[in-house]
Amino acid sequence: GAVVSQHPSWVICKSGTSVKIECRSLDFQATTMFWYRQFPKQSLMLMATSNEGSKATYEQGVEKDKFLINHASLTLSTLTVTSAHPEDSSFYICSARSQGNEQFFGPGTRLTVL
Amino acid sequence: GENVEQHPSTLSVQEGDSAVIKCTYSDSASNYFPWYKQELGKRPQLIIDIRSNVGEKKDQRIAVTLNKTAKHFSLHITETQPEDSAVYFCAASINSGNTPLVFGKGTRLSVIA
Repeated sequence: GAVVSQHPSWVICKSGTSVKIECRSLDFQATTMFWYRQFPKQSLMLMATSNEGSKATYEQGVEKDKFLINHASLTLSTLTVTSAHPEDSSFYICSARSQGNEQFFGPGTRLTVL
Repeated sequence: GENVEQHPSTLSVQEGDSAVIKCTYSDSASNYFPWYKQELGKRPQLIIDIRSNVGEKKDQRIAVTLNKTAKHFSLHITETQPEDSAVYFCAASINSGNTPLVFGKGTRLSVIA
């Protein structure tokens, strides 16, 4: 089946630093990837849609200058949380859409900002 | 845009009983309805999906039904087992290009042995 990897799986950083999260589709090409954020005991909230070779589409209320997304190839999208603060602490999950249009999720990255 | 409502938010059943989770959606253009199972601290796993050209789909103990007229779809788990305990999310989207899934708020299912 389709496999999506995400790195790192967890990260702890100081307030004010930037954190980069990678999302890779390992066995299929994904022209579209999605980035979600999930707070404890809550649903997945879509942050942005990442399209290979073009600018990401951000959901309302998500700051594009704070959450930088780059979809450099058909198998890699990155999310950079710039100048992270404690309120950015969350579980960040990417997903990639396969040719069959199913969406498969990465294992997630737990970000803790001190 | 699409809005997905999911009920109940929590559900407890005895092992061996059936569990039913219901979702409604608002956008009549949506045509793809997947269900995901998420265990604590792990990624959502696709367990079954249905497209708008069928009304029911079954995979062993799991089945999904779709009523396009009423804009609702349901997940049915029969002969529940403790390992079915997890949070289940329904979602809906227009199955093309870069249209994202819109998720329900989730149902925490507990199967009591």
